[in-house]
Amino acid sequence: ELKVEQNPLFLSMQEGKNYTIYCNYSTTSDRLYWYRQDPGKSLESLFVLLSNGAVKQEGRLMASLDTKARLSTLHITAAVHDLSATYFCAVEDGSEKLVFGKGMKLTVNP
Amino acid sequence: DTGVSQDPRHKITKRGQNVTFRCDPISEHNRLYWYRQTLGQGPEFLTYFQNEAQLEKSRLLSDRFSAERPKGSFSTLEIQRTEQGDSAMYLCASSSPYLGDTQYFGPGTRLTVL
Repeated sequence: ELKVEQNPLFLSMQEGKNYTIYCNYSTTSDRLYWYRQDPGKSLESLFVLLSNGAVKQEGRLMASLDTKARLSTLHITAAVHDLSATYFCAVEDGSEKLVFGKGMKLTVNP
Repeated sequence: DTGVSQDPRHKITKRGQNVTFRCDPISEHNRLYWYRQTLGQGPEFLTYFQNEAQLEKSRLLSDRFSAERPKGSFSTLEIQRTEQGDSAMYLCASSSPYLGDTQYFGPGTRLTVL
């Protein structure tokens, strides 16, 4: 059974700082997604990573995938308050459905 | 592109009542998914349709839960004899294998069972 683990689960950081969050998964998969969720809202797709070594960047966020290590990272550069949200990674289990981690709640303080 | 829509956005019901939720996917998407999310957790898969065919159901989907997608467009999720443990956010997502297959999520229906 595919399991997805994220760490840390909570992060409080200062504006302007950098940080990397991690997503590990337990079995081989072809697709890994990062989603953002604001309180009381639905999930917004951020990145889809399809192959080993894939790297995608959007604004202050950069995601990468190492399929051999079954690890994805989400790097935050020069954080701003607007990045405060919960970030989920999700892995496709081979039958179209996504298995989500528990999410990482990010708070960026001025 | 109006995105995935869900109705109602909030539902409060008493234990034992039946409830039905509706999901309208993005129009070009032939795949539709239902997930359930409880507080502080990631979404958990419930069931998945390709066109009108229900291709997979989670063990989480007890026999009190039923989902349909009769014409391959909108879908309904019905919960019979609701229990307090059914309180959650019910999320619908849609995708198309011809458009990258990313699952796009609707705003969700928040169910509270009293």
